[in-house]
Amino acid sequence: LAKTTQPISMDSYEGQEVNITCSHNNIATNDYITWYQQFPSQGPRFIIQGYKTKVTNEVASLFIPADRKSSTLSLPRVSLSDTAVYYCLVGDKNAGNMLTFGGGTRLMVKP
Amino acid sequence: GAVVSQHPSWVICKSGTSVKIECRSLDFQATTMFWYRQFPKQSLMLMATSNEGSKATYEQGVEKDKFLINHASLTLSTLTVTSAHPEDSSFYICSARKAGSRGMNTEAFFGQGTRLTVV
Repeated sequence: LAKTTQPISMDSYEGQEVNITCSHNNIATNDYITWYQQFPSQGPRFIIQGYKTKVTNEVASLFIPADRKSSTLSLPRVSLSDTAVYYCLVGDKNAGNMLTFGGGTRLMVKP
Repeated sequence: GAVVSQHPSWVICKSGTSVKIECRSLDFQATTMFWYRQFPKQSLMLMATSNEGSKATYEQGVEKDKFLINHASLTLSTLTVTSAHPEDSSFYICSARKAGSRGMNTEAFFGQGTRLTVV
């Protein structure tokens, strides 16, 4: 499974756009990129998933460059409730392999 | 979205006793479920992969005789921590994929976690 590297922590303010970048230099051809959000004492919650270029849903956008060796999760206009740990995972879900969690990025949104 | 429910949400047990944690997929069938352990301020660590109707696959370093996993149906997997000790105190989380998931947008769904405290 490809190893991921993310910043340990980030600070932001309410209303700002937050971009969290994840490096996955050893990503394989069949690997997808998935981002999860986790609040304290809760299970992770799916945010977004993509394979290449750009994916957007109601909560976030995911930007993946052509070489796929990194990806950026973009959270528009964050609020205090977005304070959480964000995990970037890569894995071949088509083979049924489970995704391995890296260290995650602890996002703190300040008023 | 799909719902995965864990029970109990928290449990306190005496050292030496066993504790069972249930993981249920409420509105979908899950051929495969996964069990994680998470210590404070740390990431999730995969313990084992639970396959319906067959033996679980354990990650290196996880004692299969201590962490018993049963996946008797497509909607239920259980994790039993046997002869629990204080060092087993942790946050245990399960997740499940929908049976037959293929292609894009087939994320894993996570339970809310179980906080185990062994005293």
